[in-house]
This record gives sequence, structure tokens and C-alpha cells, in this order.
Amino acid sequence: EDQVTQSPEALRLQEGESSSLNCSYTVSGLRGLFWYRQDPGKGPEFLFTLYSAGEEKEKERLKATLTKKESFLHITAPKPEDSATYLCAVQAGTTGNTGKLIFGQGTTLQVKP
Amino acid sequence: DSGVTQTPKHLITATGQRVTLRCSPRSGDLSVYWYQQSLDQGLQFLIQYYNGEERAKGNILERFSAQQFPDLHSELNLSSLELGDSALYFCASSARLANEQFFGPGTRLTVL
Repeated sequence: EDQVTQSPEALRLQEGESSSLNCSYTVSGLRGLFWYRQDPGKGPEFLFTLYSAGEEKEKERLKATLTKKESFLHITAPKPEDSATYLCAVQAGTTGNTGKLIFGQGTTLQVKP
Repeated sequence: DSGVTQTPKHLITATGQRVTLRCSPRSGDLSVYWYQQSLDQGLQFLIQYYNGEERAKGNILERFSAQQFPDLHSELNLSSLELGDSALYFCASSARLANEQFFGPGTRLTVL
């Protein structure tokens, strides 16, 4: 069964304290891995797509990396406005040529000033 | 702002009732997706439409149905509502079948 597991469930950082969020996946034929940011009561906001092991993408203080079994979202020198829930999702080969996303439970990040 | 719009923002109704949620995709996007988000289940895929045709189904209940119209907007119909149907319902859209999806602000459904 295709599965996505994110860790930790919650993370508290001081402003400027860098860290990483983990997304482990078990899927039959990864077609794409997606990172989203979600603020309370709002829709997920697209951040990155990664397609193959070794790929990296960056946006401001965020950097996403991908291996054959997991993805990391590195947050460098975070600010309080980076506080949110970060969601990882995959598109699996078992879903055929569809856009079905399988989401992890998310990591809730709190950055204190 | 993702460009995806959803109405209404909030919906409060009673068990046994039927409701319709509406979604307008980003301009030019042909695929529309519906997801349900609850505290215990997280974000769950319900159904995908591409250019008016159903493309994929997730664990969507038989009491739920959806359609995509010629102007590409979509509606999700929920009937015989139960307390457990209370959740956030998100619509997302993408340009083609399987690239990145952009989510709307959601409809919060409360069933009393």
C-alpha cells in the first residue's frame, strides 16, 4: 500500500535555528513528490515538486531534497512567519496517469522570536 | 491567492441534509480535484475530473458525487449527511492530468 510518513509531528524552533523536516514514502513507482505549506484554516500552498532522486529545489529559506526513500525540507534561519504545517504528498505509479495525491499527516512548525 | 475559488466558505447544516459545494479552477486549468481534510484522517483524495470527465476516484462515499461542467467549474454534492462528514473540503486544480495542484481556500462543513 502506498504510504507517506512525516516526522516529527511537531517542531518548535527559535528564530534563526535551522532544522529539517522528514518525509518517508513507500510507493510503487514514484511519479512526483510535492511539498505544501498550510496555515490554519486555509488551503495548502504549493512549494516544490521533486521527480527524481538527487533533485533539489530552493525557495528563500526552504530547500527540498529527494532520495529513493525520503525527502527532506530544510529550513535555514527560520523566521516566525515560517510557522505553519508543512505537508508532503506523492503521486504513485499505481494511480496511473492521474493526479491523485497521497498526503502525509504533516509537520507543524512553530518558530519563536 | 492560488486563483482557485470555492463557495461557500462555511456551511452549517443538519444530519440527513444535502449540500452542494462549488469550485472554480484557475484560468486555463483542465483538472479539478476534491479533497477532504479532517483532524483524524488528514487530507484525503476524493475524486478528480479532467476536462469534464471523471478521471480518478479515491475513497469517496456513495452518498457523495461530483461533476465538472463545460465551463470547467465543479460541484461536489454531499447527501444524507452524517456528523462524521464535518470537515474541510478543498478543491484543487492543475493545468493537465498530473502536475502540481493549486488549492482553493476550502469550505468548512459542520453537520449538527
